[in-house]
Amino acid sequence: DAGITQSPRHKVTETGTPVTLRCHQTENHRYMYWYRQDPGHGLRLIHYSYGVKDTDKGEVSDGYSVSRSKTEDFLLTLESATSSQTSVYFCAISLGTGGPLGEDEQYFGPGTRLTVT
Amino acid sequence: AQTVTQSQPEMSVQEAETVTLSCTYDTSESDYYLFWYKQPPSRQMILVIRQEAYKQQNATENRFSVNFQKAAKSFSLKISDSQLGDAAMYFCAYRRNYGGSQGNLIFGKGTKLSVKP
Repeated sequence: DAGITQSPRHKVTETGTPVTLRCHQTENHRYMYWYRQDPGHGLRLIHYSYGVKDTDKGEVSDGYSVSRSKTEDFLLTLESATSSQTSVYFCAISLGTGGPLGEDEQYFGPGTRLTVT
Repeated sequence: AQTVTQSQPEMSVQEAETVTLSCTYDTSESDYYLFWYKQPPSRQMILVIRQEAYKQQNATENRFSVNFQKAAKSFSLKISDSQLGDAAMYFCAYRRNYGGSQGNLIFGKGTKLSVKP
């Protein structure tokens, strides 16, 4: 299994409070992703990073920010949590060498269940 | 925009029997990858099988095989000799091949597979 950890694994917070989720990898992979999983929606991309300090928005980025100051850590921040952000959050990584065939796989962390009350 | 559709929210199969999960996708690209991920109750996302669009041969991994119909944009997963451990959510996913740079996964909404003893 790829060395990916997420912390915390579970969190309950109140509406309006800031929340930061952490993804840590030991694989030295270039690409890191944050997805959210909701019933009836599958997984949807929030933000991704293609290197230290290089990030970009995904499909559902509103209300979220990210930072990557080190290769191994990718932080997802909810500046002011809302009930609509109650979800399971997954981090994923990929090597990013791609090669001519773009063959990289994405490996997923164990997920963080966030409840906003 | 690319989309992935799984039309079967739930499926059931008898242990040792064969089951096929359906997936269709929409894209204007010719070079891409398709995946099936398994998510057991533990929530861990596990890559089951991968298909490169440029390959005509259908991918196979032990009891898992796909039927890839590029013209019809169809990508079904067949599970042979179903086992109790196969019970899980199954997600179909698409990724465009950027030829060396990374692309995010686009997921279907999932199919919940139950296996009856």
